[in-house]
Amino acid sequence: AQTVTQSQPEMSVQEAETVTLSCTYDTSENNYYLFWYKQPPSRQMILVIRQEAYKQQNATENRFSVNFQKAAKSFSLKISDSQLGDTAMYFCAFRGYNNNDMRFGAGTRLTVKP
Amino acid sequence: DAGITQSPRHKVTETGTPVTLRCHQTENHRYMYWYRQDPGHGLRLIHYSYGVKDTDKGEVSDGYSVSRSKTEDFLLTLESATSSQTSVYFCAISESAGEYNEQFFGPGTRLTVL
Repeated sequence: AQTVTQSQPEMSVQEAETVTLSCTYDTSENNYYLFWYKQPPSRQMILVIRQEAYKQQNATENRFSVNFQKAAKSFSLKISDSQLGDTAMYFCAFRGYNNNDMRFGAGTRLTVKP
Repeated sequence: DAGITQSPRHKVTETGTPVTLRCHQTENHRYMYWYRQDPGHGLRLIHYSYGVKDTDKGEVSDGYSVSRSKTEDFLLTLESATSSQTSVYFCAISESAGEYNEQFFGPGTRLTVL
């Protein structure tokens, strides 16, 4: 079974600075999807960014970008110009290409400090 | 925002009692999912549905059953609640399981089993 590991339970960053959240996963599949979700204190799960494994180019969404290293099975999230509203739990998730079972990491609690 | 509602939003119940959580969508999406969220585990899939009356088990299905008699409603039932089922439960929907399809999440239900 696929597993997703987020090795940083908590992180903090100063407002306007850059922070990187780590995620590694384990799979024997060649094609799959990777996601980062944000969960603010409101508890609502919000998709931040997604990546398809066969695409070499790293996904970017405004201040959010990923560093996808397929061989290393690594999928880190970089947040540039951090804002107070980025304070949240961040979950990395994996889903197989023809699979309904999305596997989540345990999460990283990010605090942006003023 | 995707039209997903969950009811109730909060529930406290006693061990051994039956509990049913409801997820309702207005998006006419084919796929619906139930997850539970626990500290240190992220989100874990309980059951999912790929159409009316079509359901399948997820990673942590023991002690739970589901039903989907209409496209818009997906019910999660705890036949005899236990304290280990105290959790936050999220419903999610997606148009399809393959490709890039994003899962949209409901607001969550906090269930406490005493």
